[in-house]
Amino acid sequence: QKEVEQDPGPLSVPEGAIVSLNCTYSNSAFQYFMWYRQYSRKGPELLMYTYSSGNKEDGRFTAQVDKSSKYISLFIRDSQPSDSATYLCAMSAKGNKLVFGAGTILRVKS
Amino acid sequence: GAGVSQSPRYKVTKRGQDVALRCDPISGHVSLYWYRQALGQGPEFLTYFNYEAQQDKSGLPNDRFSAERPEGSISTLTIQRTEQRDSAMYRCASSLGSTDTTGELFFGEGSRLTVL
Repeated sequence: QKEVEQDPGPLSVPEGAIVSLNCTYSNSAFQYFMWYRQYSRKGPELLMYTYSSGNKEDGRFTAQVDKSSKYISLFIRDSQPSDSATYLCAMSAKGNKLVFGAGTILRVKS
Repeated sequence: GAGVSQSPRYKVTKRGQDVALRCDPISGHVSLYWYRQALGQGPEFLTYFNYEAQQDKSGLPNDRFSAERPEGSISTLTIQRTEQRDSAMYRCASSLGSTDTTGELFFGEGSRLTVL
C-alpha cells in the first residue's frame, strides 16, 4: 500500500463547477500538506500549503486537512478551462522530502 | 530565465551506457532536490543537498545512481550502466531554505531519459 493514495481520474467537469480533489495517507508523522499543479510537459508548481489540520483559502482554492482521518482535500470554485491540469497532493513530516500522490487529471470543459 | 534549468531535456541512450543529468537551480537557493517521475505518477524523492552537502540519499534506487553538487550550485545526477527500468522523467527542484525547512519547491521542466 502506498503512503499517499490519490485517485488518478480523469475528472471531467463543466466550466463553473465546484471541483473536489482528495488524498488519503497512512503516515501519521506527516504534518505539512501541499497541493501542486502540473500542466502538460511542465514541472509541478505549488498551489496551496497547509501546516497541520485546518482550512486555508486562497481565491477560488480551499485546502482542507483532517489529520484525524488522514484525509486532505482541495476545492476549486468556479472552475475554469485554465484549471485543466494534473493536481498532485504532497506531504512531509519535516522539510521538503515530499511524498507525492499519483496526481488527479482534471479537465474543465468550456 | 530565473527558473530551475535542466539539461539535457531529452536523452536517449543504450542499455549499459552512463548518463549525466545536469541541474542549475535558482540563484541563491540553498537546497536542491532530485525527484524521479514515472508516467502517470507523482514525483518520487531521490536525494537532496544543502549547499554542497548531500543530506539524504535514501531515495536513490541502487549504487548505480549518484549525485553531486560540488560548489553548492549546479548539481549532476549520474546513472551508471543504465537499464531500461531507469527510463523516466528526472526532475530537479530547488528551495530558498535549507532541507530542514518546508517551503516552496521550484521544479525544473525535467530531463526525459529513455533507455533502449
